[in-house]
Amino acid sequence: EPEVTQTPSHQVTQMGQEVILRCVPISNHLYFYWYRQILGQKVEFLVSFYNNEISEKSEIFDDQFSVERPDGSNFTLKIRSTKLEDSAMYFCASSQGQGSNQPQHFGDGTRLSIL
Amino acid sequence: KQEVTQIPAALSVPEGENLVLNCSFTDSAIYNLQWFRQDPGKGLTSLLLIQSSQREQTSGRLNASLDKSSGRSTLYIAASQPGDSATYLCAFKAAGNKLTFGGGTRVLVKP
Repeated sequence: EPEVTQTPSHQVTQMGQEVILRCVPISNHLYFYWYRQILGQKVEFLVSFYNNEISEKSEIFDDQFSVERPDGSNFTLKIRSTKLEDSAMYFCASSQGQGSNQPQHFGDGTRLSIL
Repeated sequence: KQEVTQIPAALSVPEGENLVLNCSFTDSAIYNLQWFRQDPGKGLTSLLLIQSSQREQTSGRLNASLDKSSGRSTLYIAASQPGDSATYLCAFKAAGNKLTFGGGTRVLVKP
């Protein structure tokens, strides 16, 4: 069964450094998402992306964050200048459409640790 | 603001017992609701999706119901097995893009 794949599985970065998290969504999916889960907290929506544009973003997704689909298969999340509070598990998800019968499929996540 | 609540936060049952997991939401403008399983340190596996027009969905030993009027969904897992031990998350979707997640119920099925 097709799946969403994320790399790396674990990223350790010094505070203030830039980090790029990578995702390969399911191949025939058109909608892409990033979520994060701080340890012990709920999964939170960050951003959705469709047709090479951000379609919705949360208040967490400030100017330090950006997303890109650099080619036909990858979807990336960049954090420009990481802070300690960016430490979390970051999940990429994709869906075929936006209909009520369209589930979002999630990857295994990237654990980001900011030192 | 949409709130999704899952009670209890943790549940421990002997093998073979049926599991009942609850999810409540505050916004009646539901589009669909997804149930996920999360194993420790792992991603989210989609289990079931119920559309707002449906009252229940079934997959194997899993059955999820939806009551929009009371703002509740329930996930039933029949004849639980130790392999069912995991955290179960519900996620609400209104029209739009994002899923709003509950805090999850951590389930332990004891052999």
